[in-house]
Amino acid sequence: QLQLQESGPGLVKPSESLSLTCTVLGGSISSSSYYWGWIRQPPGKGLEWIGSISHSGRTYYNPPPKSRLTISVDTSKNQFSLNLTSVTAADTAVYYCVAFIVGATRPDYWGQGTLVTVSS
Amino acid sequence: SYELAQSSSVSVSPGQTARITCSGDLLAKEYARWLQQKPGQAPVVLIYKDSVRPSGIPERFSGSSTGTTVTLTISGAQVEDEADYYCYSAGDNIVLFGGGTKLTVL
Repeated sequence: QLQLQESGPGLVKPSESLSLTCTVLGGSISSSSYYWGWIRQPPGKGLEWIGSISHSGRTYYNPPPKSRLTISVDTSKNQFSLNLTSVTAADTAVYYCVAFIVGATRPDYWGQGTLVTVSS
Repeated sequence: SYELAQSSSVSVSPGQTARITCSGDLLAKEYARWLQQKPGQAPVVLIYKDSVRPSGIPERFSGSSTGTTVTLTISGAQVEDEADYYCYSAGDNIVLFGGGTKLTVL
């Protein structure tokens, strides 16, 4: 059973960078059975896909924050990460990491989410 | 660009059947999933691959598909089913969410 755990700062100052890490337990981040993604949910709003990365390291981002966003994988730690630069209050949200199952042969796995507040 | 459209709210009495639909061209190519989210909680996957229910999800939740429209049906809705429901679809290079449907059971 796959488990995902988000970690990172709960408070980030405007114009600074937001870095979050998702640790994958119970499975290999190098497996071709999954691709890895970040989803966020601003307070009181719906879910928004930020971007994804495949087991081979290919990345897909959701515009418009594409130029500020980097998603990467660290196979040695079985983790994947999100780095969002030049944050504003609009980036305040609960951030979820998700393991999407290739071919939808099983249910996707969601982390519990971590709240990030952008404020001075 | 792709979009997934959901009605914003559905209201039923306890014991009635609630139906939530999700429409979009991406659904003709990729499978749909359904999430349930209660206030302050992480989403829970109710349905994947259009109509498959994970273990532990009550049988009253079911999913169906007719091409570009998928439907989540809650047969005999209970008060504890009051929540936000989201459809989403995930392909190789895109993940798309519907705007969410607030289900009221009273």
